[in-house]
Amino acid sequence: AQKVTQAQTEISVVEKEDVTLDCVYETRDTTYYLFWYKQPPSGELVFLIRRNSFDEQNEISGRYSWNFQKSTSSFNFTITASQVVDSAVYFCALSGRDFGNEKLTFGTGTRLTIIP
Amino acid sequence: DTGVSQDPRHKITKRGQNVTFRCDPISEHNRLYWYRQTLGQGPEFLTYFQNEAQLEKSRLLSDRFSAERPKGSFSTLEIQRTEQGDSAMYLCASSKQGVITEAFFGQGTRLTVV
Repeated sequence: AQKVTQAQTEISVVEKEDVTLDCVYETRDTTYYLFWYKQPPSGELVFLIRRNSFDEQNEISGRYSWNFQKSTSSFNFTITASQVVDSAVYFCALSGRDFGNEKLTFGTGTRLTIIP
Repeated sequence: DTGVSQDPRHKITKRGQNVTFRCDPISEHNRLYWYRQTLGQGPEFLTYFQNEAQLEKSRLLSDRFSAERPKGSFSTLEIQRTEQGDSAMYLCASSKQGVITEAFFGQGTRLTVV
């Protein structure tokens, strides 16, 4: 069985501060994929990043960066110099390679509020 | 707009009524997924189509739920004899078969059963 844990339910930071969202996962698959999605108030899930289990390189995209550590089963997400537009619910998700079905197992999400 | 489209965006229904939602995936995507999201939770997988074939159904999908994808294009999700516990956001996503890729989500249909 797969499981994703996002222990932080809500986080509030003042604009321009850095913030890290934690994600811990469990899976028995040797090949798997990790994702982060953003859900603004409009409701649509917006894809941010995909990582496969063989690639532990950290990734940076603008103000966003991701730290994948297989040894601790974590895939944390950092926003640098946060902005009000970053306010949303962020979900970490896991996908296995079960006969090519890429269904996602989501965490419960972290609601991020950036205070102007 | 070439994204995933869901209709309606909101639906209020009385308990016991049947409701049907529609999802139009991105045109070249042959995989289509339905998820349900309740307040304060992450989306939960309901069912999955590859073309017109329904390949997997979650245990969350009771007998009152049925999904179809005729001709492998749009999909419908029907809930019969709705219950208050069915109130949730129903999300549709699509992806392209082949090298694993991200699923693209629609804006969802919010169902309220009163």
